[in-house]
Amino acid sequence: DAGVIQSPRHEVTEMGQEVTLRCKPISGHDYLFWYRQTMMRGLELLIYFNNNVPIDDSGMPEDRFSAKMPNASFSTLKIQPSEPRDSAVYFCASRLSGVNTGELFFGEGSRLTVL
Amino acid sequence: QKEVEQNSGPLSVPEGAIASLNCTYSDRGSQSFFWYRQYSGKSPELIMFIYSNGDKEDGRFTAQLNKASQYVSLLIRDSQPSDSATYLCAATGGGNKLTFGTGTQLKVEL
Repeated sequence: DAGVIQSPRHEVTEMGQEVTLRCKPISGHDYLFWYRQTMMRGLELLIYFNNNVPIDDSGMPEDRFSAKMPNASFSTLKIQPSEPRDSAVYFCASRLSGVNTGELFFGEGSRLTVL
Repeated sequence: QKEVEQNSGPLSVPEGAIASLNCTYSDRGSQSFFWYRQYSGKSPELIMFIYSNGDKEDGRFTAQLNKASQYVSLLIRDSQPSDSATYLCAATGGGNKLTFGTGTQLKVEL
């Protein structure tokens, strides 16, 4: 079975540009999470969805960040405008409800560099 | 203060030794605890979880939980070079939000 699929794997952009990160969760998983990882702050939860509905976006740093999940197999995280401090690895993860709530399946991540 | 704290390391152990990784948490409402392993440049993967006080063993791995001390640890017996990675401790209060520590880098030396 395919795991969580993220794209792009690497993105280099200039400050002020719009960035869109994409995620396809594991088929049948009804929870989807977006995390950001930096050396200083580790893995931080940005937002999560249940059945395509955003449940908690308290980790989204500011209005420049937005996330959508238009259907069960696709989610996007958008940064507009991007800033150098947004440089990080962004992970998408999914899991199935009713099972171990800590067992997340992570994608390979999208490494974002904002110049 | 971060909710889940770990020493960043690196922790260096010789091959065949026991590696001991530690984690403390501040939220007394935390109920479940998880250890993820992350190889350099890769994504985290779950290796152990523990809910109850005491020890839980799985192969070479033992997770230990002490809720009174708000302390979680992971022991790796017979450490191998392939165990070299960053180990992330995570906690949840029973909801859906998993809070991670910043991780401890483990190096197993030949």
